[in-house]
Amino acid sequence: GEDVEQSLFLSVREGDSSVINCTYTDSSSTYLYWYKQEPGAGLQLLTYIFSNMDMKQDQRLTVLLNKKDKHLSLRIADTQTGDSAIYFCAEADDYKLSFGAGTTVTVRA
Amino acid sequence: DGGITQSPKYLFRKEGQNVTLSCEQNLNHDAMYWYRQDPGQGLRLIYYSQIVNDFQKGDIAEGYSVSREKKESFPLTVTSAQKNPTAFYLCASSNRDRVPEAFFGQGTRLTVV
Repeated sequence: GEDVEQSLFLSVREGDSSVINCTYTDSSSTYLYWYKQEPGAGLQLLTYIFSNMDMKQDQRLTVLLNKKDKHLSLRIADTQTGDSAIYFCAEADDYKLSFGAGTTVTVRA
Repeated sequence: DGGITQSPKYLFRKEGQNVTLSCEQNLNHDAMYWYRQDPGQGLRLIYYSQIVNDFQKGDIAEGYSVSREKKESFPLTVTSAQKNPTAFYLCASSNRDRVPEAFFGQGTRLTVV
């Protein structure tokens, strides 16, 4: 969606950390999400953050939110080959979810 | 098992024909959505419905129609007026929980020849 922007591609070595960045425009967004899509499949929710939080950690995933700059990032620690997928950032305004174009993450050995 | 089911997974239609994509959920969710996915463009919202017998246009509703006669079902019809219908279509549902998480179906790939 035009309101959420992400870089399109990221290549990372297995075992390194991946950082995927996202910017959004709607300051009234209540929740911000990261979804993962594997080839030919639907989207799976990875994690979310409420707009009054700065950081959220969930096992290998760390979400950072800079509300002033409307910047969201997802860090994946110890990236594995199974992490190769498209990652979507999304913002929610009431019922409506707006998605970015998705970042294709490729994990190389 | 609770979930959201889209059918069929692959669909081929001739140009000029209407086609209906099925979406069913047994999660007792109030809201349902249809998205279209094209390479490099992410997901674009076609239609969404917050309650039965009510729905709203999303960002790219032209050439599409929906109905919401039952809570569980939200079929999408791709009409002949849609100029470029070949795409991957995703259905989702969500509830009025404290975190409005959207659950997605596995998608339908529509190819118009």
